[in-house]
Amino acid sequence: AQKITQTQPGMFVQEKEAVTLDCTYDTSDPSYGLFWYKQPSSGEMIFLIYQGSYDQQNATEGRYSLNFQKARKSANLVISASQLGDSAMYFCAMREGKTSYDKVIFGPGTSLSVIP
Amino acid sequence: ETGVTQSPTHLIKTRGQQVTLRCSSQSGHNTVSWYQQALGQGPQFIFQYYREEENGRGNFPPRFSGLQFPNYSSELNVNALELDDSALYLCASSLRTSALAKNIQYFGAGTRLSVL
Repeated sequence: AQKITQTQPGMFVQEKEAVTLDCTYDTSDPSYGLFWYKQPSSGEMIFLIYQGSYDQQNATEGRYSLNFQKARKSANLVISASQLGDSAMYFCAMREGKTSYDKVIFGPGTSLSVIP
Repeated sequence: ETGVTQSPTHLIKTRGQQVTLRCSSQSGHNTVSWYQQALGQGPQFIFQYYREEENGRGNFPPRFSGLQFPNYSSELNVNALELDDSALYLCASSLRTSALAKNIQYFGAGTRLSVL
């Protein structure tokens, strides 16, 4: 069963506009962490933002914020004021606390294109 | 830049051959994870090394093996290469703490392996 779902294979956004990338996850573990990574065409996975399952507030990192809705098992990434350099693949990922090692499960990704 | 470096950047092999990929961890990190990313997909967890021992493995056959050295650098070895092994191989380093779910993995730019 797929644990991370990203339903938007591709998204377009106008430069300087905000965009939301969807992510839903599935776990029975009460302790887990959620991540978003950016992967430009160069291949490197760049860490953007982290949300812990027990965190009371939504995570924010500069122009990135995570809209965490625990009951709905949703962890959407919001990018404000999009820039041309934001064009890339975006992956939602999860680590479950029950595992004794740090296995991160990735979703299929969303391709974001920022239009001038 | 994450400080995680991988070599080589590109590699071409033929079916049945063996390959070794290398990864240098970020300074201060003690854990290395390897992922396989097929074209158009999210990364898949291969295995993880902590204190020079494998402490977690994904759904990959034994012909995928690895090493972690005292300086926390790592190798991924793949024997008897198959065409389906063609992928981007990503190495990630992290500092393992008691709060497993909070450990953030930082990735290198990957090695792109083509098997002909």
